[in-house]
Amino acid sequence: NAGVTQTPKFQVLKTGQSMTLQCAQDMNHNSMYWYRQDPGMGLRLIYYSASEGTTDKGEVPNGYNVSRLNKREFSLRLESAAPSQTSVYFCASILSLTGRGTGELFFGEGSRLTVL
Amino acid sequence: AQSVAQPEDQVNVAEGNPLTVKCTYSVSGNPYLFWYVQYPNRGLQFLLKYITGDNLVKGSYGFEAEFNKSQTSFHLKKPSALVSDSALYFCAVNFNKFYFGSGTKLNVKP
Repeated sequence: NAGVTQTPKFQVLKTGQSMTLQCAQDMNHNSMYWYRQDPGMGLRLIYYSASEGTTDKGEVPNGYNVSRLNKREFSLRLESAAPSQTSVYFCASILSLTGRGTGELFFGEGSRLTVL
Repeated sequence: AQSVAQPEDQVNVAEGNPLTVKCTYSVSGNPYLFWYVQYPNRGLQFLLKYITGDNLVKGSYGFEAEFNKSQTSFHLKKPSALVSDSALYFCAVNFNKFYFGSGTKLNVKP
């Protein structure tokens, strides 16, 4: 049981390049998140998908787009990368966000992105 | 607005001593509170959660947390710290989506 799998683990981009971070979960979870983690700032929510077919903005959505491809997969795209997007990105999933669920988030191992 | 605060950026403790990592919350209604741990270059791992019931919650690796409604706190504790407990700890509240604290780095010295 792999849990939450993110690819790639490392990526270096030049300013203006585009790329997509992939995330897949095999736990049949309904809801999925993308966070970024920066030193001293904890985790900041970029986008989330409460269920297949829906996506919503989080705290810091500017410069990003997402696609909930199916129930398993939730991708994060940087259309024109900027140095300010240098960060560690985490995908997470939870069984359900309906109401105020009591389940816990499951995280991937992270994707370390550097934009030069 | 829902929020979680971790007032200490870093906590230092000697191995074998008790440790406490502090967390306070602001939530309208009853909170669902969580603690996560992050080891270097890894994702976050779930430690424990408070949903309802007993105010003292026990979790993984000997950790426990005490829910205090009057002080709106959910402090993480361990009676005897290990060097291997050194990591980054995050408090979180689930209110339709997860809100995380800024994290506390725990350093346990031999």
